[in-house]
Amino acid sequence: DIVMTQTPLSLSVTPGQPASISCKSSQSLLHSDGKTYLYWYLQKPGQSPQLLIYEVSNRFSGVPDRFSGSGSGTDFTLKISRVEAEDVGVYYCMQSIQLWTFGQGTKVEIK
Amino acid sequence: EVQLVESGGVVVQPGGSLRLSCAASGFTFDDYAMHWVRQAPGKGLEWVSLISWDGGSTYYADSVKGRFTISRDNSKNSLYLQMNSLRAEDTALYYCAKDMTYYYGSGSSMPDYWGQGTLVTVSS
Repeated sequence: DIVMTQTPLSLSVTPGQPASISCKSSQSLLHSDGKTYLYWYLQKPGQSPQLLIYEVSNRFSGVPDRFSGSGSGTDFTLKISRVEAEDVGVYYCMQSIQLWTFGQGTKVEIK
Repeated sequence: EVQLVESGGVVVQPGGSLRLSCAASGFTFDDYAMHWVRQAPGKGLEWVSLISWDGGSTYYADSVKGRFTISRDNSKNSLYLQMNSLRAEDTALYYCAKDMTYYYGSGSSMPDYWGQGTLVTVSS
C-alpha cells in the first residue's frame, strides 16, 4: 500500500503571507501514461472536501491562482502565495496510482 | 450544477447492517465512476470503495473488503453502499463522490465533486 506523509500537520499563517505544505509518497506516482497521479484537496470547516489541484500542478475549475502545486516522483508541494482568511481548513494530498490513499491532513489556521 | 445527496446514515448496533444511498444530479451519471469516502469523527479522509460507470468493476479498501458492497442504478442516477457486519471503527461520515473518469485505469482518477455526507454511528 502507498503511504502518503504530509508535513507539517498544522500551520499558522499571517494573512497575506505565503504557506507551503509538503507531501511525500512511499512509491513513485508517475504513471506509464506520463502523468503523475497526485492531487490536493481542501476541507473547509464544516464542509465536504473540494478538489484544488490535480496531476501535481493543474488547478481545478474555479480555484484561485494563489494556489499552486509542484513536485515529481515521490515529493510534492502545495503553495499558497498569499494566504487569505477563506483558506483555513485541512489540506489533504491524495494518490490514485494504486487505488486511492490520502495523507493525514495539514490544518491551516490564520494568526 | 453537480449535486450529490447522501442518505441512510443512522445509529446501528455492532454486527448490524445498513444501506447508504446517494442521489446524483447535474451530470450524466452513467458517464462516470463513483466513490464512497469516509471520515471518522475528528479524523482524516479514508477511501472506501469505487464502482465503474457500468457497475462492472468494483474496488474496496482492505478495511471493508468482504463486508461492504458498492452498487449503482444508472436508471435512477443512484449510488449505494451496502454495509454488513458493522464495527465500531466503521463510525464515520460517509461521502459519495463523483470520479473524473468512467472506470479505474482509464486515466487520472480522482473524486472531483463530493456530497455533504451521511453519518453512520455503530454503537450498542
